[in-house]
Amino acid sequence: AQSVAQPEDQVNVAEGNPLTVKCTYSVSGNPYLFWYVQYPNRGLQFLLKYITGDNLVKGSYGFEAEFNKSQTSFHLKKPSALVSDSALYFCAVRDLSNSGYALNFGKGTSLLVTP
Amino acid sequence: GAGVSQTPSNKVTEKGKYVELRCDPISGHTALYWYRQSLGQGPEFLIYFQGTGAADDSGLPNDRFFAVRPEGSVSTLKIQRTERGDSAVYLCASSLTQASGRGEQYFGPGTRLTVT
Repeated sequence: AQSVAQPEDQVNVAEGNPLTVKCTYSVSGNPYLFWYVQYPNRGLQFLLKYITGDNLVKGSYGFEAEFNKSQTSFHLKKPSALVSDSALYFCAVRDLSNSGYALNFGKGTSLLVTP
Repeated sequence: GAGVSQTPSNKVTEKGKYVELRCDPISGHTALYWYRQSLGQGPEFLIYFQGTGAADDSGLPNDRFFAVRPEGSVSTLKIQRTERGDSAVYLCASSLTQASGRGEQYFGPGTRLTVT
């Protein structure tokens, strides 16, 4: 079975400060990992993914994430937060060891960036 | 270009009624997914199409749920004898072929279904 945990329901950060949204995963094989963002009344937007190679991946809107195999983590980061980054963030995993193609999502973390 | 579109954006129905939710994927995307998102939760997988066929329907909760994609493009999610517990946002996503599993999925805005 595969699962994703986002341990924080909400993350608060001041504008201009660095932000981290945490994600850990559990799969039986090698994972493909994804981050999506959801703005109110809008669909999920793809931010970035880890497939293979460099553990630090860069994505849209200045976000990046670091794959850590030993800690089974894929935390989302941004060096300087913007108020417009306030949204709901979802981590998702696809397990390559089974034949499924669906994404398994965490329950989401609400990010609030204050001016 | 045009993204994934879903209609209707909102649907209110009475318990026991039948509903159809439509998804129009990005042109050229052969893979299509349906997810269901309940309040405060992440999306949960329902069914995956590769072309016209349902390659994985393991996420459908019971036999009241059914989905089709007859021409390999537009898909319809059908729910019979709706129950209040079916109330959720139903999301559709599409991607290029899933042969490698590497591709990201592009999501539509969702259909908010409310069963009264």
